[in-house]
Amino acid sequence: SAVISQKPSRDICQRGTSLTIQCQVDSQVTMMFWYRQQPGQSLTLIATANQGSEATYESGFVIDKFPISRPNLTFSTLTVSNMSPEDSSIYLCSVRTNGDTQYFGPGTRLTVL
Amino acid sequence: DAKTTQPPSMDCAEGRAANLPCNHSTISGNEYVYWYRQIHSQGPQYIIHGLKNNETNEMASLIITEDRKSSTLILPHATLRDTAVYYCIVRPAGVISSGSARQLTFGSGTQLTVLP
Repeated sequence: SAVISQKPSRDICQRGTSLTIQCQVDSQVTMMFWYRQQPGQSLTLIATANQGSEATYESGFVIDKFPISRPNLTFSTLTVSNMSPEDSSIYLCSVRTNGDTQYFGPGTRLTVL
Repeated sequence: DAKTTQPPSMDCAEGRAANLPCNHSTISGNEYVYWYRQIHSQGPQYIIHGLKNNETNEMASLIITEDRKSSTLILPHATLRDTAVYYCIVRPAGVISSGSARQLTFGSGTQLTVLP
C-alpha cells in the first residue's frame, strides 16, 4: 500500500486568489493523479502528474487553471488559480503502486468565498 | 457511459453481513472489478479487487459471478464505522501506463448505512 499526505487539509480562500496543494507519498510511485470532488458529487479526474514532464489533463481541465508540478517520484503539487466559488471542492491526490492498485490521500477541502 | 450499476442506498444492521451488489454486464475479459469506499469527508479507501475468482482479505470478500457480469462485496460483520459510500469500478489490467482508459471512473456508488 501507500501512505499519502496532503497539505493543507482545508482552506478558505478569497475569490481571485490561488492555492497550492501539496501531496507527499511515503514511497516512490510512477503514477500520481489529481481528482476533484464537488459538493454532493462523485470524483472526477483532473490530470495525471508526470514526473519530469508536463501533466496530462482530462477534458474540461486546463493547465492555466490547474498547474501541476511533479519534481520527483514522491511529491506533487496542484495549484487552483484565480479561484471562484465554483472551485469549492475536495481535491484529492492519488497514486498507483507497482502492484497496480490505486490509493488516495485524505483530501484538501477548499472553500472559495 | 456507466460501466457499473449499483443501488443508490442500502441499510444493514450492526453485526450482520452487508452484501453490496454491482452489475457490470459489459465488462471485458481484461477488466478487473475494484471496490472502494468513502467515509464522509475522507479520501476513498481501497477495499479489494478481483478478476474472476472470489477474493477475501481482512476487510471484505468479493464474489464475482461465473459470467463476470455482476459481483457482490460482502462485509461479514458490519459495524457503525462501515457506514460509507461504496464504489464498484471496472478497470483494465495490464502494464502500467498513462491514459484515461486505465483510470478509475467513479460512479454514484451505494450509500451503506449501518444501523445500531
